[in-house]
Amino acid sequence: DTEVTQTPKHLVMGMTNKKSLKCEQHMGHRAMYWYKQKAKKPPELMFVYSYEKLSINESVPSRFSPECPNSSLLNLHLHALQPEDSALYLCATRRTGDSSPLHFGNGTRLTVT
Amino acid sequence: GIQVEQSPPDLILQEGANSTLRCNFSDSVNNLQWFHQNPWGQLINLFYIPSGTKQNGRLSATTVATERYSLLYISSSQTTDSGVYFCAVLFSGNTPLVFGKGTRLSVIA
Repeated sequence: DTEVTQTPKHLVMGMTNKKSLKCEQHMGHRAMYWYKQKAKKPPELMFVYSYEKLSINESVPSRFSPECPNSSLLNLHLHALQPEDSALYLCATRRTGDSSPLHFGNGTRLTVT
Repeated sequence: GIQVEQSPPDLILQEGANSTLRCNFSDSVNNLQWFHQNPWGQLINLFYIPSGTKQNGRLSATTVATERYSLLYISSSQTTDSGVYFCAVLFSGNTPLVFGKGTRLSVIA
């Protein structure tokens, strides 16, 4: 689904670095999600934002810090990550208020060295 | 608890063959989606199908909500169909989308 854009596509970072993942959508969707996917596993939900407010945090470690500055943008700030945090990070959006489909971005493949 | 089970876990097909993938779920649903994840990691919406039957080219899907299952049919498979197929379900109530473990499909020329 190319209507949800994630940058960068690939990211390599050291354990002491601070970096951010970005997700942008212009579909008018007010629910935005971060998922983490390890190899050969299904996506795992990390965070849900609804109307720019954090509504679900699936017990994610504080080294992952989400931010939703406006209805089109969703960021994931990364700090002091561990090698086991290496994964594909997926952003998704959908309308709120009904059971509308989820639309995914192409993901950021993160490697922590 | 809430469960989404997919079968088979792995499938190898000769190009041109047909296949059926199954998704069983444990409770009534508001939303069911089938996704294809290609080898580059892109998750592509195939169907949004909480009930009924839909077709898109060589792919079709049927969800029988009362019996708590959905089927994805792939006809005349091509090597580009390879990847992982996920069923994801939004159960009634304020629960996030729950993914099955996926079916890994390899289509061989």
